[in-house]
Amino acid sequence: DIQMTQSPSSLSASVGDRVTITCRASQSISSCLNWYQQKPGKAPKLLIYATSILQSGVPSRFSGSGSGTDFTLTISSLRPEDFATYYCQQSCSAPTFGQGTKLEIK
Amino acid sequence: EVQLVESGGGLVQPGGSLRLSCAVSGFTFSNYWMSWVRQTPGKGLEWVANIRKDGSERSYVDSVKGRFTISRDNAENSLYLLMNSLRAEDTAVYFCAKQMVGSSTTFDYWGQGALVTVSS
Repeated sequence: DIQMTQSPSSLSASVGDRVTITCRASQSISSCLNWYQQKPGKAPKLLIYATSILQSGVPSRFSGSGSGTDFTLTISSLRPEDFATYYCQQSCSAPTFGQGTKLEIK
Repeated sequence: EVQLVESGGGLVQPGGSLRLSCAVSGFTFSNYWMSWVRQTPGKGLEWVANIRKDGSERSYVDSVKGRFTISRDNAENSLYLLMNSLRAEDTAVYFCAKQMVGSSTTFDYWGQGALVTVSS
């Protein structure tokens, strides 16, 4: 199985900050990398797929980049509704998820 | 509007069985692969199984092979997960999820989840 490792596990930031979350795969996954946002008690929501393609309706302050084994999710200017947990997921083989990054208000 | 609604969760004893259902609407169900994904506080999100559009191909995570069976009824727009020989470590919230077009295991819509608790 391909292991996905996110960093950091938690992050404190303020409204308006620029934040970056990193995801590393245990082997190359080309661009088969997705990002999800999850709020408490809710299902995950697809934000970005194939590394950098924004899902319909997702604000442009979200962006993704990377290739091979190293990927990033960037939120350019945090809004109050962005405080949530973020997960990466590889879709090249049997899907696996990162352990999550909890983004909290500073 | 795309909707996926799980049902059938609950408390079951170790070794018991449970069948989850997922009723879908808002898209042509028979055109998409579907998956079950579970979530626990300890292990996070874990893909469990998926099934091809016509039901002819199924895949499972190793930990449930031989115990869980995914199926679908395209006439009823429904997805199912039959769980046998349940263990404490199967305790989780189970989500049904629609896969994006083709066989890409990218999940673009999710249900609200069904809690399964395995305990004596």
